[in-house]
Amino acid sequence: QVQLQQSGPGLVKPSETLSLTCTVSGGSISTYYWSWVRQPPGKGLEWIGYIYYRGSTNYNPSLKGRVTISIDTSKNQVSLKLTSVAAADTAVYYCARGGFRSQLGWFDPWGQGTLVIVSS
Amino acid sequence: QSVLTQPPSVSGAPGQRVTMSCTGSSSNIGSTYDVHWYQHLPGTAPKLLIYGNNNRPSGVPDRFSGSKSGTSASLAISGLQAEDEADYYCQSYDSSLSGYVFGTGTKVTVL
Repeated sequence: QVQLQQSGPGLVKPSETLSLTCTVSGGSISTYYWSWVRQPPGKGLEWIGYIYYRGSTNYNPSLKGRVTISIDTSKNQVSLKLTSVAAADTAVYYCARGGFRSQLGWFDPWGQGTLVIVSS
Repeated sequence: QSVLTQPPSVSGAPGQRVTMSCTGSSSNIGSTYDVHWYQHLPGTAPKLLIYGNNNRPSGVPDRFSGSKSGTSASLAISGLQAEDEADYYCQSYDSSLSGYVFGTGTKVTVL
């Protein structure tokens, strides 16, 4: 079945850029929407943004233009970049597969999660 | 920044039935957008529990059921078991955001 494996640093300095990669195995990255979701310590889930395999994106306005999601279909990878990070960006970050040819779908499966701590 | 409101906690004894609500607005649940539910255990990835308001993925026990009416949705767990102790989140699409919204989360405690 489809599996999502996340990679990337767990510690990022304030004002720097958070970068995470999600590698999809067991299935194609095509025809699906792919999202990033995060959970700050002690808080709920927050949708960060999505990308369609053709490259169209949409982001949560709360991230004020700091986020970029990209896709590499040749490598079956989805990437997240979040610039100018601050302590409030400390969270567990998840990638998740969304809808099939529709952004109205659900998230399944999910990556294992990456705890990213923003600290100097 | 959740726009879907859930009760912070619900509890029940083993074998009992518990329910939790998920209240949204006309731009999400109140529109034609479906509601999905996830079970989240500490240290693990969220797990899809209910999709499309009331559908269970393969492997999810039929003790879990979902419904939607108006601007709200509900998740019910019948025959509560110790392993059901977790956080539960609802999720939908929001037209004003052109993106997804999650509920505030409900912690289920098995007494």
